[in-house]
Amino acid sequence: EVQLVESGGGLVQPGGSLRLSCVASAFRISNYAMNWVRQAPGKGLEWVSSISDSGGNIKYAGSVKGRFIISKDDSKNTLFLQMNSLRVEDTALYYCAKAELGWLTERIDHWGQGTPVTVSS
Amino acid sequence: QSALTQPRSVSGSPGQSVAISCTGTNSDVGGYDYVSWFQQHPGKAPKFMIFDVSKRPSGVPDRFSGSKSGNTASLTISGLQADDEADYYCCSYAGADSIIFGEGTRLTVL
Repeated sequence: EVQLVESGGGLVQPGGSLRLSCVASAFRISNYAMNWVRQAPGKGLEWVSSISDSGGNIKYAGSVKGRFIISKDDSKNTLFLQMNSLRVEDTALYYCAKAELGWLTERIDHWGQGTPVTVSS
Repeated sequence: QSALTQPRSVSGSPGQSVAISCTGTNSDVGGYDYVSWFQQHPGKAPKFMIFDVSKRPSGVPDRFSGSKSGNTASLTISGLQADDEADYYCCSYAGADSIIFGEGTRLTVL
């Protein structure tokens, strides 16, 4: 059974940094695109970033471009999100999500349970 | 890029049908046949329900169906059941290797 387990969330001050991790099991992330999607408290889903199966195609939402970096370690079957220059509006539950294909697509077939990030002074 | 427009809420009685709309632009919903729908129960992760406008992943009941006309996609749920009560989000490919979600719709089963 596909599992995605996120970790690394927490409370951070504005301007600070956090690194999220997502360990995948029952499939190889080297075969699928992977995504980070966030959900602010009481709000809707927002796509954050995607990385292709090969790692050669990386995309970001405009709201995080230049501040967040997505990466992965295929040998550890783990996805990462380095979040820098955090803002209050980055406060959300961050989901790791597997695409059904090897490239960026709206076909997201599995989601983790999320890791909460709170940006506050 | 603003979220796709969805009604804030819809409701229906058990056994009835409801439709949830998702309106975008020529740059997203109207430009591609790449629309997915997700169901999210409170406190849970989203669940993949529809892809490519009208296709169902394995395991999703055929009570759930999708369609699209112009810049508006729709999710129809027939034979409403109590467990269908949840939030529903559409999602579209938006070109330039980006995807965009809808605002979300709360479905209440009366």
